[in-house]
Amino acid sequence: DTGVSQDPRHKITKRGQNVTFRCDPISEHNRLYWYRQTLGQGPEFLTYFQNEAQLEKSRLLSDRFSAERPKGSFSTLEIQRTEQGDSAMYLCASSLGLETDTQYFGPGTRLTVL
Amino acid sequence: AQKITQTQPGMFVQEKEAVTLDCTYDTSDPSYGLFWYKQPSSGEMIFLIYQGSYDQQNATEGRYSLNFQKARKSANLVISASQLGDSAMYFCAMREGPVGASKIIFGSGTRLSIRP
Repeated sequence: DTGVSQDPRHKITKRGQNVTFRCDPISEHNRLYWYRQTLGQGPEFLTYFQNEAQLEKSRLLSDRFSAERPKGSFSTLEIQRTEQGDSAMYLCASSLGLETDTQYFGPGTRLTVL
Repeated sequence: AQKITQTQPGMFVQEKEAVTLDCTYDTSDPSYGLFWYKQPSSGEMIFLIYQGSYDQQNATEGRYSLNFQKARKSANLVISASQLGDSAMYFCAMREGPVGASKIIFGSGTRLSIRP
């Protein structure tokens, strides 16, 4: 049973460029979450999908951010016109939505905006 | 107001000793869940243990146990017989609402360092 995977693991980009990250959840998990973590802080919730439906978005998710989960499996997070303040670790998690509904996290994508 | 408070930014513990990491939480929802995650320097968040608000007994998972004091809104993590590999950041987190509620809210973490 493979865990949550994320690609790429590291991304360095110049300010103003667009970037896209991918997350593949644990196969039977119908819920998928995106979080952002800056240095020295705990992760902060960005958005959440149940199957292909995006059910909740944080106010942290500005209009430059968009997330999709087109077939209810993998998800992408796109950041347009990146800013230096977007530099962070972007974490993806998935869960079954049952029992404790524990979220299992991927290794993250570390974004550096120059 | 902070929903999850971890008052210990860093801790040093001698190998094989037990260690308690503090966590207090704030919610008015009667149904909630509490989680502890470990984040080594590699960056991945590793789930350790879960406690539901209606669970009568404290959760245990191997060397990890959760000291749940509901009236004090406290959910401390106890690691018995610490090992060098326990050195990492530890995050306390809370799901407000019943199972099925979406996001979890994290504290700012405690960096645990185990001395040989």
